[in-house]
Amino acid sequence: EVQLVESGGVLVQPGGSLRLSCAASGFTFSSYWMSWVRQAPGKGLEWVANTKQDGSEIHYVDSVKGRFTISRDNAKNSLYLQMNSLRAEDTAVYYCARESVGGGGKLDRWGQGTLVTVSS
Amino acid sequence: DIVVTQSPDSLAVSLGERATINCRSSQSVLYNSNNKHYLAWYQHKSGQPPKLLIYWASTRESGVPDRFSGSGSGTDFTLTISNLQAEDVAVYYCQQYYSTPWTFGQGTKVEIK
Repeated sequence: EVQLVESGGVLVQPGGSLRLSCAASGFTFSSYWMSWVRQAPGKGLEWVANTKQDGSEIHYVDSVKGRFTISRDNAKNSLYLQMNSLRAEDTAVYYCARESVGGGGKLDRWGQGTLVTVSS
Repeated sequence: DIVVTQSPDSLAVSLGERATINCRSSQSVLYNSNNKHYLAWYQHKSGQPPKLLIYWASTRESGVPDRFSGSGSGTDFTLTISNLQAEDVAVYYCQQYYSTPWTFGQGTKVEIK
């Protein structure tokens, strides 16, 4: 069974840093693009970033460029999101999601999410 | 960036009736090389992660009931829920995956009338 389990979400002060992790199991992690998607309280879904199977190609939404870094460790079946210079507007549930094979970023498996709260 | 807009923001439908959700992208999401529309639909229930329902605009994900169907082309797409069931109460999102950043519509909340 495919499983994605996020961790690392906490309360952090504005300007602080945080690293989210996503542990994958039940599939060949190194064969898939992976994404982070977030949902702010009362808002819709927002795609944040993705990484190619070997990490050689990465994309970000403009609002996090220069502040967030997505990475992966295929030996550990893990995806990461390093979040720096956090702002109140980064407060959200962060989901790890697998991009389906066959082309494009359709997200066929999602974790349960981890809550990041940025507040003083 | 491709802007994706859904309508309506919410709708209430009687059990057993049909719910129709519209999605419009600011530019075509059709790749001419494979004639596929890079458009997906998700169901998001409270307290759960989103679930992929439809991809390539009209292909149902494995295990999704056939009362869910997707249609459309170019920039205009529709998700139809036929014979609405109580378990279909959720927020529904469309998403384009034609070009990064992937973008979602603002969501449509479906309730029982």
